[in-house]
Amino acid sequence: DIVMTQSPLSLPVTPGEPASISCRSSQSLLHSSGYYYLDWYLQKPGQSPQLLIYLASNRASGVPDRFSGSGSGTDFTLRISRVEAEDAGVYYCMQTLQTRTFGQGTKVEIK
Amino acid sequence: QVQLQESGPGLVKPSETLSLTCTVSGGSISGYYWSWVRRPPGKGLEWIGYIYYSGNTNYNPSLQSRLTISVETSKNQFSLKLTSVTAADTAAYYCARLSRVATVSNYYYHSMDVWGQGTTVTVSS
Repeated sequence: DIVMTQSPLSLPVTPGEPASISCRSSQSLLHSSGYYYLDWYLQKPGQSPQLLIYLASNRASGVPDRFSGSGSGTDFTLRISRVEAEDAGVYYCMQTLQTRTFGQGTKVEIK
Repeated sequence: QVQLQESGPGLVKPSETLSLTCTVSGGSISGYYWSWVRRPPGKGLEWIGYIYYSGNTNYNPSLQSRLTISVETSKNQFSLKLTSVTAADTAAYYCARLSRVATVSNYYYHSMDVWGQGTTVTVSS
């Protein structure tokens, strides 16, 4: 099974400042297609999860361009260029190479 | 605008079977994969499994022995059954649609782009 490890687990951020979340997989997420099979989701308080990023670096429809994903092999990063109050919630990475596995989640709190 | 709605008992006794249904409205269940995800209280998301509208399934290995996901296209619904439940199965359960978000080198890539609002299930006597 592929294990996903996120860090940090808690991230206080100031509005307007950048933020980044790390996600590491226990094995490479490189698919034979040449793409990395990783998604990022955000669950805001009291809401259902929403898709942010797919294939490691592609923003989903309607996602603001302050969100970006990058990475390769086993190391991936979600970046928010300038955090807004509405970005508070728990962020999850999820590998989709072998069935699906979520990371533990990173709780982003707005100062 | 496709919407998903989970339904089922909010309380299940230990050792019994948890049964939930997700009703799809505003669109057809055909042509898509459909998924279940849960979030135990105080914990993170856990992927449960998915089903293609034709009936092919893929389950979380840790739940596979207790899990059945089925689809009823005539009702635009898919369902989850989890047997022999314990307190560890207490969670908010979400259904979601897996849409083809990209085609990469002749492979179709799917992500969960539409979610239900979730339903809370408590396992307790």
